[in-house]
Amino acid sequence: ETGVTQSPTHLIKTRGQQVTLRCSSQSGHNTVSWYQQALGQGPQFIFQYYREEENGRGNFPPRFSGLQFPNYSSELNVNALELDDSALYLCASSLGGASDEKLFFGSGTQLSVL
Amino acid sequence: RKEVEQDPGPFNVPEGATVAFNCTYSNSASQSFFWYRQDCRKEPKLLMSVYSSGNEDGRFTAQLNRASQYISLLIRDSKLSDSATYLCVVNSDSWGKLQFGAGTQVVVTP
Repeated sequence: ETGVTQSPTHLIKTRGQQVTLRCSSQSGHNTVSWYQQALGQGPQFIFQYYREEENGRGNFPPRFSGLQFPNYSSELNVNALELDDSALYLCASSLGGASDEKLFFGSGTQLSVL
Repeated sequence: RKEVEQDPGPFNVPEGATVAFNCTYSNSASQSFFWYRQDCRKEPKLLMSVYSSGNEDGRFTAQLNRASQYISLLIRDSKLSDSATYLCVVNSDSWGKLQFGAGTQVVVTP
């Protein structure tokens, strides 16, 4: 167990809807990163939050947004859902945002967009 | 061109045998390298970091070749429990944005 929890575990939405995914980081970790993993692909970096500020962003459109709270838990919001948003969404926490920090992943939220 | 490329496999390996596979990365400025293991649709788990001089962790050996920009993983004395997808991971930034390969599937058979 990594101590990183995500909710919900599974979610079904329809095109055009909005979704919020949640992540609680491991105790003592101040950095949360979000990844999207489509079937048969590796995880793709969405963005990272460090001490409540966005610390970097991957190649995702603005309808993917996030928040980090004072307790370092985090939310990923996706607006105007598209079929291609169907994927496993992974949250990972780390002690800091440095390049050699080990990431601890939650078990993910499987999102299906119909 | 993808930043991190891996042979998807599957590599079918008899129990007890040795298997090795590589991954290549495109950014010569990459700083940190890792192998993660992922079981079917579960979260990736860190297997090992990869250091310039090469490193070993039990039956697993990782090598880094900066000149040719590839990383390798060798598994000796394969166990059935080694069956998984192995993700090559590279960090090219000063902060924690990881680039994942699509993974190499290893299937260890009795």
